[in-house]
Amino acid sequence: NAGVTQTPKFQVLKTGQSMTLQCAQDMNHEYMSWYRQDPGMGLRLIHYSVGAGITDQGEVPNGYNVSRSTTEDFPLRLLSAAPSQTSVYFCASSYSRGRGHTSTNEKLFFGSGTQLSVL
Amino acid sequence: GQQLNQSPQSMFIQEGEDVSMNCTSSSIFNTWLWYKQDPGEGPVLLIALYKAGELTSNGRLTAQFGITRKDSFLNISASIPSDVGIYFCAGQLFKAAGNKLTFGGGTRVLVKP
Repeated sequence: NAGVTQTPKFQVLKTGQSMTLQCAQDMNHEYMSWYRQDPGMGLRLIHYSVGAGITDQGEVPNGYNVSRSTTEDFPLRLLSAAPSQTSVYFCASSYSRGRGHTSTNEKLFFGSGTQLSVL
Repeated sequence: GQQLNQSPQSMFIQEGEDVSMNCTSSSIFNTWLWYKQDPGEGPVLLIALYKAGELTSNGRLTAQFGITRKDSFLNISASIPSDVGIYFCAGQLFKAAGNKLTFGGGTRVLVKP
């Protein structure tokens, strides 16, 4: 199994450009999420999904969109890149014990990250 | 939102040493987790704790879920060079909004020159 696959590994954008970070998992996980990692701030949740067709906002959702049309894929879209979005982005997935928003999903499997620079 | 404070922010280890790090919160959690991130990779789960007072080991790693449910500790015994990396604690509180994890800022473990 490949696990959680993120592409691209590195990306440089100009302010105002848009792009999509791809995330795919082959473990049939219901729960998928996007985090950003900034120095000294740990990992902050951007958006998450508890299943195909269901998405919700995390702690820092502004400037990002997501969709979940299949169980396997959970792309993250930057609508109009800003320098404040320079960060390392991680996609993560997990099994869900239970259903929907009451499920537990603590054992996250992370991708290897996308390092994004916005100039 | 909830904040997790990890300490120390960084530490140097010498091969063979035992090291400790901790994580504290102003509010309680139902689950505590410890992840490790190697350079250029995503975090990997080391230990999950589900009950106040629980003590769990994974090889040379031992973690404890604090009695007050507001803290957790991770110990590494007999350090080896591959223990270098960033260690993150994470807490989870069961509620309607996706039971999301809150991560601490990380403890960076480095090797003494």
